[in-house]
Amino acid sequence: NAGVMQNPRHLVRRRGQEARLRCSPMKGHSHVYWYRQLPEEGLKFMVYLQKENIIDESGMPKERFSAEFPKEGPSILRIQQVVRGDSAAYFCASRDGGSYEQYFGPGTRLTVT
Amino acid sequence: DQQVKQNSPSLSVQEGRISILNCDYTNSMFDYFLWYKKYPAEGPTFLISISSIKDKNEDGRFTVFLNKSAKHLSLHIVPSQPGDSAVYFCAASGGATNKLIFGTGTLLAVQP
Repeated sequence: NAGVMQNPRHLVRRRGQEARLRCSPMKGHSHVYWYRQLPEEGLKFMVYLQKENIIDESGMPKERFSAEFPKEGPSILRIQQVVRGDSAAYFCASRDGGSYEQYFGPGTRLTVT
Repeated sequence: DQQVKQNSPSLSVQEGRISILNCDYTNSMFDYFLWYKKYPAEGPTFLISISSIKDKNEDGRFTVFLNKSAKHLSLHIVPSQPGDSAVYFCAASGGATNKLIFGTGTLLAVQP
C-alpha cells in the first residue's frame, strides 16, 4: 500500500509566480490535510479537505492561497503571486474516516527567489 | 498562543538508556494525542498515539503516558538506539475536524 505521495519534492519560484503543490493520499483515505513548516518552526495546520469539499480552512492565509481535492485526481495547494515569506516545507497528510492518525507525505520544499 | 509546548529543544541520551520526551498542552478540549518522528528533509512519521480516556499506551520500545489533570504527556523510548536520533513532535487534536496542533519539536540525539 503506497504511502502519501507529494510532488514536486522541490519547487523554486520567482516572486510573483504561481506555485502548485500536489498530494495523492494513501489508498482508501478520503481525508486530506495540508500543513506548513516555516524555517525553525513546528508544523502549522492550513486546510482540511474531503473529496470535493473544503471542511476547514481556518489556517489558510486569506489571500493568494487556495486548495482543492477533486473527485478524481490529487489534492492541489495553489499559491498565487508567491512572496519570499512563502518559502517553507509544505506537508500533506491523509487519514481514513475511522481513525485519528494522520500519515504524512515527504513534503514539498518551496523556495521563492 | 502556543497550545502545545515542548519545552526541551534538545535531548542527548546514551545508547541503551531511556529517552523521555515531554509535552504540555493548554486546551482541555484536546482528546487525542500523537507523537511523530521526523528526519531532515522527510515528512513526519507516525509513532504512537493515545486517547484522552487512557493514561498509557505501549508499542514495542515506545510508551506514551498521559496525565490529563496536569495537561502533560510524555514519550518513553527504551532502550534508546542511535537510529532513534531525530526530531520528535508532539501533536494534539480535538473537535470535529481532527486537525493536528503541533509542538515545536525536540531533537533527540542518541550517542553510541
